[in-house]
Amino acid sequence: EPEVTQTPSHQVTQMGQEVILRCVPISNHLYFYWYRQILGQKVEFLVSFYNNEISEKSEIFDDQFSVERPDGSNFTLKIRSTKLEDSAMYFCASTLLGQTTKNIQYFGAGTRLSVL
Amino acid sequence: DAKTTQPTSMDCAEGRAANLPCNHSTISGNEYVYWYRQIHSQGPQYIIHGLKNNETNEMASLIITEDRKSSTLILPHATLRDTAVYYCIVRVGHNQGGKLIFGQGTELSVKP
Repeated sequence: EPEVTQTPSHQVTQMGQEVILRCVPISNHLYFYWYRQILGQKVEFLVSFYNNEISEKSEIFDDQFSVERPDGSNFTLKIRSTKLEDSAMYFCASTLLGQTTKNIQYFGAGTRLSVL
Repeated sequence: DAKTTQPTSMDCAEGRAANLPCNHSTISGNEYVYWYRQIHSQGPQYIIHGLKNNETNEMASLIITEDRKSSTLILPHATLRDTAVYYCIVRVGHNQGGKLIFGQGTELSVKP
């Protein structure tokens, strides 16, 4: 069964460093998302991406964050200068839009980001 | 998207049916009810969704009241692997790419 793949599974970085989290969405999907979950808290929406541009973003997604689809398969989340409070699980998701496809979002296993 | 209310936690004996309720009294006519679950910090997993009719798939059944103000997710024969946090999410239309808004969900513990 097709799945969303995220790498790395765990990323450790120093505060102030840039990190790039990588995702390979399901191949024929058109809509892509990033969510995050701070330990013990709710899953929070960060950003959605469609047709090579941001469709919607949350207040969390400030100028330190950016997303890119550099080629036909990868979808990346970059954090320019990490802060301690960026430590969280980051989940990528994708969906195939359409009346018959139910707009179900499929999630990857996540990347645990630890900022020291 | 309409707000949902779920119990914080529930227990269920292995092999029994798990019935997880959700209130969504402010749901509007074009909003669907979706259920996802999250097993121990893994990525959320889609379970089932519906508009107004009851739905069943290989994982679960979804019962929506006639006034659509509440619903129940039924896992007919719960196993230990069903221990997870279950999220009831109400959102507009199922052919749009909108975000999912997760609440705290119901933490279901299936016990031997």
